[in-house]
Amino acid sequence: EPEVTQTPSHQVTQMGQEVILRCVPISNHLYFYWYRQILGQKVEFLVSFYNNEISEKSEIFDDQFSVERPDGSNFTLKIRSTKLEDSAMYFCASTRDRGGTGELFFGEGSRLTVL
Amino acid sequence: SQQGEEDPQALSIQEGENATMNCSYKTSINNLQWYRQNSGRGLVHLILIRSNEREKHSGRLRVTLDTSKKSSSLLITASRAADTASYFCATGPNTDKLIFGTGTRLQVFP
Repeated sequence: EPEVTQTPSHQVTQMGQEVILRCVPISNHLYFYWYRQILGQKVEFLVSFYNNEISEKSEIFDDQFSVERPDGSNFTLKIRSTKLEDSAMYFCASTRDRGGTGELFFGEGSRLTVL
Repeated sequence: SQQGEEDPQALSIQEGENATMNCSYKTSINNLQWYRQNSGRGLVHLILIRSNEREKHSGRLRVTLDTSKKSSSLLITASRAADTASYFCATGPNTDKLIFGTGTRLQVFP
C-alpha cells in the first residue's frame, strides 16, 4: 500500500542551525502539508502546498520556515535558524483531493530535538 | 479561535466496552474527520463525515455530526486493547487548512 515516507526519523541539532526535513508523498497526490506536534500537545497546521506554491500557512510558519518541492517526488521543510521551541514531531501529509473530499495520508514523522 | 476540542481528554475502559469521544468546533465546515494516533506514530484517517450527513458507520466505528450544535461524536463499539491510542477530530473549510482538536487519549485494558 502506498505510503508517505519521512526522513530523518529523528534529528538532533544545535540552536541556530539549519534543518531540512524530507518527505516523499504518495506518488499521485497533488496536495502536500506539514504539521507539527509538540510533545503531548495538539497537532498544529503549518503549511499547505499545491502546484509549486504555498496555498495556506499558519502564524507559526514565519520567515524561518520554507517549503520546497525540488523534484517530482520530494517535499521538504527547511527551518533556517532553529530555536529551542522548534523541538517537536513534524508530520508530512498528502492527499489527492481537496475541497472537503479528501482524507490526509500522514507519514510517521520526523522528531526534531533542538539543544 | 480554536477548532475541534475533544472531550474527555482521557478515557479508560475495559475490553468489550464501548468508548465515546466528543468533538466541538466553532466555525462552519464542509466535513469533519476523525484520526487515530498510536503513541509516537503518525496519524491514520478513520472516517470522514460530510456536513450534510448526520451519521456514518465504518466497522466498529460510528460517527455522528450535529451541525446545529457544532459537535460530533465517535463511538467505538466492543473495544479492544489494540484500540488504545489518541483520537483527534479535524475540521476545516477544506483540506488546505485542516485543524486538529486536542485529542482524547483512550486506554483499553484487557
